[in-house]
Amino acid sequence: DQQVKQNSPSLSVQEGRISILNCDYTNSMFDYFLWYKKYPAEGPTFLISISSIKDKNEDGRFTVFLNKSAKHLSLHIVPSQPGDSAVYFCAASGSGFNKFYFGSGTKLNVKP
Amino acid sequence: EADIYQTPRYLVIGTGKKITLECSQTMGHDKMYWYQQDPGMELHLIHYSYGVNSTEKGDLSSESTVSRIRTEHFPLTLESARPSHTSQYLCASSEGDQPQHFGDGTRLSIL
Repeated sequence: DQQVKQNSPSLSVQEGRISILNCDYTNSMFDYFLWYKKYPAEGPTFLISISSIKDKNEDGRFTVFLNKSAKHLSLHIVPSQPGDSAVYFCAASGSGFNKFYFGSGTKLNVKP
Repeated sequence: EADIYQTPRYLVIGTGKKITLECSQTMGHDKMYWYQQDPGMELHLIHYSYGVNSTEKGDLSSESTVSRIRTEHFPLTLESARPSHTSQYLCASSEGDQPQHFGDGTRLSIL
């Protein structure tokens, strides 16, 4: 049973606008959440993370929001750039950081 | 910069062959992982290791096996490849509470 879900397989956004990627999870024991970015023919690369003790974490153009009661997190990219076009994976882990559960990814296309 | 390497990058091979996918990391990470991913699907953990001589099966059942004789090396072996093994295989490593670093993957195609 999939514990981390990304229900939007794709998203298209105009350059300069905001991109919002969403992720839902089912396991209330998860307390660490990450976003990875993946270009074709490359492995995923870590983008940003958030601990369950926070509801927001910001790094430059990237902000992750966590709503624990809704078991929902989102990644905001502002402003979006064509180089942001990639597949974005959401992942979650419990304490111990030993096993990570991934969503199926959202393919973001930022149009110039 | 993460240093984790997977070889081969692409492999097309016939049914019944024995295959070993290589994964090496130079960061001295204790934890290493193998994921299997089909197009448009989530990454499924198939094997992981917390250190030398430690290996565990992941949540997705796999006919592959792994070994961890050295910290830096975590090869995955299929004794007899079948078309159902066609997939992308991603290796990752991590240390403590840090995010995983991934290799570029092996795209395996069994004819």
